[in-house]
Amino acid sequence: AQKITQTQPGMFVQEKEAVTLDCTYDTSDPSYGLFWYKQPSSGEMIFLIYQGSYDQQNATEGRYSLNFQKARKSANLVISASQLGDSAMYFCAMRERGYGGSQGNLIFGKGTKLSVKP
Amino acid sequence: NAGVMQNPRHLVRRRGQEARLRCSPMKGHSHVYWYRQLPEEGLKFMVYLQKENIIDESGMPKERFSAEFPKEGPSILRIQQVVRGDSAAYFCASSPGLAGGPVGETQYFGPGTRLLVL
Repeated sequence: AQKITQTQPGMFVQEKEAVTLDCTYDTSDPSYGLFWYKQPSSGEMIFLIYQGSYDQQNATEGRYSLNFQKARKSANLVISASQLGDSAMYFCAMRERGYGGSQGNLIFGKGTKLSVKP
Repeated sequence: NAGVMQNPRHLVRRRGQEARLRCSPMKGHSHVYWYRQLPEEGLKFMVYLQKENIIDESGMPKERFSAEFPKEGPSILRIQQVVRGDSAAYFCASSPGLAGGPVGETQYFGPGTRLLVL
């Protein structure tokens, strides 16, 4: 079973509008972290936002917010007031507490390609 | 304040040659991770290292691939006898390695090395 599922291969949004990128996850570990990264066409991976499994409030970072619904195991990224520069691939990732040596790795979804239309 | 550095940015090798990819973590970071990204895919974890120690190599292919993070100098991902299927983007990430566990530690990525095997 996939640990991170991003069901939207591609999304379009009009400039200045808000957009939600979906992410669901699967884990039995009570302690985990959820991350969103942006990958523009230039290829680098840019960290956007983090949500911990025990955090009571949804994370926000500027125009980015994370709609965390723990019971539904979803961690959707909301981008408000879209800009042309937001056009990129967006990846949802999870890090589990793990045991022994398996604590390090991020597990990534396949990504959503967001295109912002002028 | 330099971020994660990777070199070379692009590497072309012929089948059977060796590829060496270098990663210098962010200043103050002691944990390094290597990921591979195939075209149109998310990143896949390969190996997690601390200085002079491999912590988790569960994502590394059993043959031809090795990684090190020496006491001095950058982390090296080495691919021996490359094949066309090794063509991918290889990303290095680093994190500070704070006490209290790694779940919430953000990994900051380098720009990646694009390996092309002819």
